[in-house]
Amino acid sequence: DAKTTQPNSMESNEEEPVHLPCNHSTISGTDYIHWYRQLPSQGPEYVIHGLTSNVNNRMASLAIAEDRKSSTLILHRATLRDAAVYYCILKVRGGSNYKLTFGKGTLLTVNP
Amino acid sequence: DAMVIQNPRYQVTQFGKPVTLSCSQTLNHNVMYWYQQKSSQAPKLLFHYYDKDFNNEADTPDNFQSRRPNTSFCFLDIRSPGLGDAAMYLCATSEGGAQGYEQYFGPGTRLTVT
Repeated sequence: DAKTTQPNSMESNEEEPVHLPCNHSTISGTDYIHWYRQLPSQGPEYVIHGLTSNVNNRMASLAIAEDRKSSTLILHRATLRDAAVYYCILKVRGGSNYKLTFGKGTLLTVNP
Repeated sequence: DAMVIQNPRYQVTQFGKPVTLSCSQTLNHNVMYWYQQKSSQAPKLLFHYYDKDFNNEADTPDNFQSRRPNTSFCFLDIRSPGLGDAAMYLCATSEGGAQGYEQYFGPGTRLTVT
């Protein structure tokens, strides 16, 4: 399975930007990079995904390195509600479809 | 709102007593996934259906089975639950056939085995 490496934990202050890094040096040319987050006692929630170009949506931005071996999830202004475990995942082929294989993720703490 | 619904939210079963968890969706997605998440661990994919095609993960124990009678519903059957099967079970859906589609997760069913 394609693997990703993330820091175990990060800390941020409210209303400051947060940059969550992810390394995926074994990524293949067709693997999409997905980010999900999981708030306490909830199911994971989709954040953003990309293939080669940087992506923006209402939740976050995704910056993908030119060689695609790393990416960074950017939360532009962290709020207390953003405290969660953030998972960087490569979506790969699984049987007749595609699947997400979750790694350990980064626990983000947001300080008021 | 279209969503993924899991029932019940909490389930208690006895050691060795079969249990079924259910998932339904109003998104009309092709794919339905089942994940197991133990305390302080990441979700682990057990299997998924792409339409009627069943895709099992290589390390999913035979004790875990699944049924998908129609597009909207998917069931997780644990034939003989052990204490080690106590976990949160998450259902997710997505459109199928491409890597760019996001997955939508339900709130999960927390299973306790006594």
